[in-house]
Amino acid sequence: EVQLVESGGGLVQPGGSLRLSCAGSGFILSNYWMHWVRQAPGKGLVWVSRISSDGSSTDYGDPVKGRFTVSRDNAKNTFYLLMSSLRAEDTAVYYCARGSLTALFDPWGQGTLVTVSS
Amino acid sequence: ELVLTQSPGTLSLSPGERATLSCRASQSVSTYYLAWYQQKPGQAPRLIISGASSRATGIPDRFSGSGSGTDFTLTINRLEPEDFAVYYCQQYRSSPPGLTFGGGTKVEIK
Repeated sequence: EVQLVESGGGLVQPGGSLRLSCAGSGFILSNYWMHWVRQAPGKGLVWVSRISSDGSSTDYGDPVKGRFTVSRDNAKNTFYLLMSSLRAEDTAVYYCARGSLTALFDPWGQGTLVTVSS
Repeated sequence: ELVLTQSPGTLSLSPGERATLSCRASQSVSTYYLAWYQQKPGQAPRLIISGASSRATGIPDRFSGSGSGTDFTLTINRLEPEDFAVYYCQQYRSSPPGLTFGGGTKVEIK
């Protein structure tokens, strides 16, 4: 079964940092682009970041550019999101998702909640 | 920036009825890169339609997608209790690069 499991969420103070992890199983993660998508409480989905299969290319949504860094360790079938200079508006459930050639997301992880608050 | 506008925001229907959800893009979108997702409360989204009209694996045939250019539609025939959820459209374009979701349509039980 293809599965993604996020970890690393929690409560962090404004200006702080947090690293999320997403572990894949049931497939070879190194064959796929991987994505992060977030959802603020009661709001819609917002694409955050993506990383190419070999890690050589990354992209970010405007709200997180310069503050978030996506990376991957294909040997561990895991990829990451390092979030720095966190703001209250970064509070959300963060989902990881496997990308397709047509840049759709399937499957998704169960999500991990990040709360930025003092 | 390409914007996807979904309407209506909320659709109140009874089981057995048909749901018609709209997704309008501010610029033309390739059908190849248009997808629909279903999200139930407390759950992650699930892909239901790719390429504007192809059902994902395991999605029942009461779900159908159509459209091209700037106007896309998700139709759910004969609503089942498990279909009441929020639905999002999503697009990708390579130039300029962007991945965008619509704001979502909630299909609720009337």
